[in-house]
Amino acid sequence: DQQVKQNSPSLSVQEGRISILNCDYTNSMFDYFLWYKKYPAEGPTFLISISSIKDKNEDGRFTVFLNKSAKHLSLHIVPSQPGDSAVYFCAASGDSNYQLIWGAGTKLIIKP
Amino acid sequence: NAGVTQTPKFQVLKTGQSMTLQCAQDMNHNSMYWYRQDPGMGLRLIYYSASEGTTDKGEVPNGYNVSRLNKREFSLRLESAAPSQTSVYFCASSPGTVNSPLHFGNGTRLTVT
Repeated sequence: DQQVKQNSPSLSVQEGRISILNCDYTNSMFDYFLWYKKYPAEGPTFLISISSIKDKNEDGRFTVFLNKSAKHLSLHIVPSQPGDSAVYFCAASGDSNYQLIWGAGTKLIIKP
Repeated sequence: NAGVTQTPKFQVLKTGQSMTLQCAQDMNHNSMYWYRQDPGMGLRLIYYSASEGTTDKGEVPNGYNVSRLNKREFSLRLESAAPSQTSVYFCASSPGTVNSPLHFGNGTRLTVT
């Protein structure tokens, strides 16, 4: 039973356009959400996070939106750049500070 | 500043063999973690160490043991490897404060035949 779902295994976007990556969760106890980015043969690196008390968090070209009623979050990248091509993981935490629950990832491909 | 260092990068084992995956961090982090990543699945937590001297089971601990050797080092041991343990293993560390992000190593790709 996947508590965090990224339903799109891959996404292709033109350079300069907006990339929107989606993530759904089922556990209403989750109160903190993170996005990580992963290049091949490397470990994931932290990108941006959001607490459940907010509905939006922005960091440069990256914005995360949280819709608690829909149990849905999304990562917007504007404008998309070739270096953004990577796998993006959504992760959630709830009652344990140490146990993140991860989505399966979405592979983002930025076309020149 | 190396961050989180994992060794080896690649390993092939026969069923029943044992091995230890090594992990060290130089960020003075309190907490350390071992994850596995399998195709089509998110990362799954095997074991974690909230602070030096403590270890706890994660989501998928069966078949593994860990040792928090000191604040810097956290090793993962497979006593009798099975094909189901073929995976990419990631070590991570964090300061251990609430919701602090994880810092990952570059992974160990393990194949058990």
